Amino acid sequence: QVQLVESGGGVVQPGRSLRLSCVASGFTFSNYAMHWARQGPGKGLEWVSVISSDESYKSNADSVRGRFTISRDNSKHTLYLQMSSLRAEDTAVYYCARGASSGWSIDYWGQGTLVTVSS
Amino acid sequence: QSVLTQPPSVSGAPGQRVTISCTGSSSNIGAGYDVHWYQHLPGTAPKLLIYGNNNRPSGVPDRFSGSKSGTSASLAISGLQAEDEADYYCQSYDSSLSGVVFGGGTKVTVL
Repeated sequence: QVQLVESGGGVVQPGRSLRLSCVASGFTFSNYAMHWARQGPGKGLEWVSVISSDESYKSNADSVRGRFTISRDNSKHTLYLQMSSLRAEDTAVYYCARGASSGWSIDYWGQGTLVTVSS
Repeated sequence: QSVLTQPPSVSGAPGQRVTISCTGSSSNIGAGYDVHWYQHLPGTAPKLLIYGNNNRPSGVPDRFSGSKSGTSASLAISGLQAEDEADYYCQSYDSSLSGVVFGGGTKVTVL
């Protein structure tokens, strides 16, 4: 069965950096686009970033462009999100998710990892 | 302010039918991009409910159905059950933003 397990969350001061990881299993990781999405406290789901299966295409939401970088290591079945210049408004549960094989839907999600940006 | 607009909440009695609207624009739903729907319970992983406007993944009850017309889409839940109490989100792709967009979410309450 498809499993996505995020890690790397925690409490970080404003302006600092943090890297999230997501280990995938149960499917051929290198065949799928992968996403990061987040949900801030009391807020709805917000898409953050996407990377294609071969890393040839990447895109970020305006709210994180220039600060967050998505990457992947297909040999390790792992997705990453490097977050820098963190702000209080980046506080959220961050979800790793698999892009479906067609269209822009997301067919599997991880349980999420909490990032808290606070001094 | 979400790119896709959903009502904050809808409610219904057990057995009733409720619908959730999702309104977009000419750069997303109106441009022909598919609409997808997710069910999300607090503290859990979101679940894909409808993909490609009106398709259900394996295991999703046929009480859930989706439709799309013009710049809008809808999710219908018929035969409402207590277990359907959750947050529901629509999602599409926006060509102006070059990225995925979500609606603000709709909380479904079973009375």
